[in-house]
Amino acid sequence: KAGVTQTPRYLIKTRGQQVTLSCSPISGHRSVSWYQQTPGQGLQFLFEYFSETQRNKGNFPGRFSGRQFSNSRSEMNVSTLELGDSALYLCASSNSGTNYGYTFGSGTRLTVV
Amino acid sequence: GQSLEQPSEVTAVEGAIVQINCTYQTSGFYGLSWYQQHDGGAPTFLSYNALDGLEETGRFSSFLSRSDSYGYLLLQELQMKDSASYFCVLTGRRALTFGSGTRLQVQP
Repeated sequence: KAGVTQTPRYLIKTRGQQVTLSCSPISGHRSVSWYQQTPGQGLQFLFEYFSETQRNKGNFPGRFSGRQFSNSRSEMNVSTLELGDSALYLCASSNSGTNYGYTFGSGTRLTVV
Repeated sequence: GQSLEQPSEVTAVEGAIVQINCTYQTSGFYGLSWYQQHDGGAPTFLSYNALDGLEETGRFSSFLSRSDSYGYLLLQELQMKDSASYFCVLTGRRALTFGSGTRLQVQP
């Protein structure tokens, strides 16, 4: 079966702009989580969606937001981009019946210039 | 909050055994997971310990001791393709807390 698909793979944006990233989970997975990976901070949890509702949120400013659609696809939006937002953004999907074995997508590499 | 500590880098030779240790601080969690990430790739799930003890999956084994707040990943019969970063991860109710990762270099 198809894995977790994230688009686009690479993105270059200018400081102050906004960006939207997309994640399509594994078919049948209803939980989608987003993580930010940077060399300095490592992998950090952004938020988690289940059945179109945000169930959990990490310690990121309000510029970071997301949503989930009825088909479980999720989008993440970052407004007023800062240089420090440059990172690999990873999406993970899981079967809501388990709390382990998350499947990650290959990520979107965002560069803010 | 939650935090995990693991060595930043480990080097071993092909065919050898290597153990990557992880200590953690948390007020509660479901279990300890391990993920592998190759450069430029996605983290991939390796193993999960919900209970104390050893879990074995092929060449990989993982151990958890809740009383010691300690776990480890054991890799046997190392292969060149095992060169990657390995993360210990606290599995909470709906989120994962990642350690900083251990970069494993397997040498011929």
